[in-house]
Amino acid sequence: GENVEQHPSTLSVQEGDSAVIKCTYSDSASNYFPWYKQELGKGPQLIIDIRSNVGEKKDQRIAVTLNKTAKHFSLHITETQPEDSAVYFCAPGGGTSYGKLTFGQGTILTVHP
Amino acid sequence: EAQVTQNPRYLITVTGKKLTVTCSQNMNHEYMSWYRQDPGLGLRQIYYSMNVEVTDKGDVPEGYKVSRKEKRNFPLILESPSPNQTSLYFCASSTTSGTQETQYFGPGTRLLVL
Repeated sequence: GENVEQHPSTLSVQEGDSAVIKCTYSDSASNYFPWYKQELGKGPQLIIDIRSNVGEKKDQRIAVTLNKTAKHFSLHITETQPEDSAVYFCAPGGGTSYGKLTFGQGTILTVHP
Repeated sequence: EAQVTQNPRYLITVTGKKLTVTCSQNMNHEYMSWYRQDPGLGLRQIYYSMNVEVTDKGDVPEGYKVSRKEKRNFPLILESPSPNQTSLYFCASSTTSGTQETQYFGPGTRLLVL
């Protein structure tokens, strides 16, 4: 199955700083690369995704970059705000493990005012 | 409103007492899946279903059963719960492409097995 590693496991930044979370995967056939945000007491929710034919995608303060050769993709959050504090997960999909989905272990992001 | 619902949201039970956690989605999604979330381990897939009457094991299926008799419902059954099944459980659904599309998650069910 897919091996997924997410780093760092915790990230603490000051408001206004940038944050970067990296996700490394093993299945070279993976072609869908989403990031989910989980706020306290809620289920994860998609914040941005990218497909394998695109190298970068931006949506206001968040962006995702993909390096298919090296098999990793990253979440970038600029001008962080306290409401960005949450747990973030990657979950590369569409690979050879049809139907199976492996999530990264999560990154706890804390943005200090 | 498009959503995934789970019931109950909180459950305390005792070892060996059979329980069912229900999951329902109103988005006409073919793909549904169950996950458990434990501290430091992220979300681990228990079972998934590509469509009605089609189910398969995820990474941690031991001790769980599922069924998919209707497209909108995907209940999770614990025939004989044990304390190591104490966890936070999430149901999710997505369109036909399954893992190639956005997963829509329910609000979670927190289970404590004594």
